[in-house]
Amino acid sequence: QKEVEQDPGPLSVPEGAIVSLNCTYSNSAFQYFMWYRQYSRKGPELLMYTYSSGNKEDGRFTAQVDKSSKYISLFIRDSQPSDSATYLCAMRKSSGDKLTFGTGTRLAVRP
Amino acid sequence: DAMVIQNPRYQVTQFGKPVTLSCSQTLNHNVMYWYQQKSSQAPKLLFHYYDKDFNNEADTPDNFQSRRPNTSFCFLDIRSPGLGDAAMYLCATSRHRGEGVDQPQHFGDGTRLSIL
Repeated sequence: QKEVEQDPGPLSVPEGAIVSLNCTYSNSAFQYFMWYRQYSRKGPELLMYTYSSGNKEDGRFTAQVDKSSKYISLFIRDSQPSDSATYLCAMRKSSGDKLTFGTGTRLAVRP
Repeated sequence: DAMVIQNPRYQVTQFGKPVTLSCSQTLNHNVMYWYQQKSSQAPKLLFHYYDKDFNNEADTPDNFQSRRPNTSFCFLDIRSPGLGDAAMYLCATSRHRGEGVDQPQHFGDGTRLSIL
């Protein structure tokens, strides 16, 4: 069993839809959680960075962490074709520790 | 803008011919990482430098080496590339100064390596 599980998709939605992307993990020691967006042939770009449980909002993006369920989510409101990319969740146990990534979910937003 | 820059963006080499990929950063981060990412897979950490200290992952092949001559630059050397080493190589940086004083990793755009 992988430490971090993420549905690879692809996920296809119409423009304007609310998108929900999720990761589950098995190691309760993870405390820092990140979402990266990766366009084709580019490096991962940090979208959201959260510590421990709770919600964090930034524009159209909301990250949720539920440590009791070992489940994290990224919500994208009013999705745009420019949001079409692969979304990677990542997490680590302590400050400075190495990241453990999910395999990424490919998202396509149709105009 | 402060950033992580990787050169070249695309590299083609022959089977068994040594190749070097480079990474530079203007973020003044003390930690630099090298990842290998194959198609539709998660980035796989090869090694990282914490300041000048080199930290190798246990499953990184000996074929992969790294150098960090100064804070800003880091190199990935592949001594004898095989067909299985064709991948995107990503450099990332972060700042870490003890518990609670760190930043998440910032990535460059990668070097796509092809092996003939």
